[in-house]
Amino acid sequence: GQQVMQIPQYQHVQEGEDFTTYCNSSTTLSNIQWYKQRPGGHPVFLIQLVKSGEVKKQKRLTFQFGEAKKNSSLHITATQTTDVGTYFCAGGTGRRALTFGSGTRLQVQP
Amino acid sequence: GAGVSQSPSNKVTEKGKDVELRCDPISGHTALYWYRQSLGQGLEFLIYFQGNSAPDKSGLPSDRFSAERTGGSVSTLTIQRTQQEDSAVYLCACSGANNEQFFGPGTRLTVL
Repeated sequence: GQQVMQIPQYQHVQEGEDFTTYCNSSTTLSNIQWYKQRPGGHPVFLIQLVKSGEVKKQKRLTFQFGEAKKNSSLHITATQTTDVGTYFCAGGTGRRALTFGSGTRLQVQP
Repeated sequence: GAGVSQSPSNKVTEKGKDVELRCDPISGHTALYWYRQSLGQGLEFLIYFQGNSAPDKSGLPSDRFSAERTGGSVSTLTIQRTQQEDSAVYLCACSGANNEQFFGPGTRLTVL
């Protein structure tokens, strides 16, 4: 079955440093979504990418979808303490349910 | 309603008892999902309902788990003869036409 791998599992950065999490799928995806889960909270939708090579930005967050539509990345520039949480990617292949990655937990040291 | 609601928010039960977890999705959202999340872990897919289609039950871990969705709206996840390893947060999500998933606050299940 489809697998979505996410690395790293955990990253601890100093406030102001950049952060990147990577997502790789075993199969070609029709779309990829990113979610953020704050400690003690539930996942909240950030963005969806559908086009090969697509790049989208949300303030300090940059999302990329690979040319082969099998990988994706989320990059945060100049992290802030409010960025703390776990970031999940989720890959879609049409009408089936999304497959979530295992998540990257980000800790930001003030 | 304004968002996805789940009840109860917390459930403590004894091993061997049955539990029912409820999800009220956003009105009009045709897709509904159940996930399980153990402490510090990722989201484990359980079951997916899409409109009137047969549900995708491929993530249910055993035949003790079942779920229903009545009238295309409210869903109930039932766990029979609960075991300690069933302890986790059970999350419900729904989505509309744009595939964005809206998650409920979850039910924290503790099996003693």
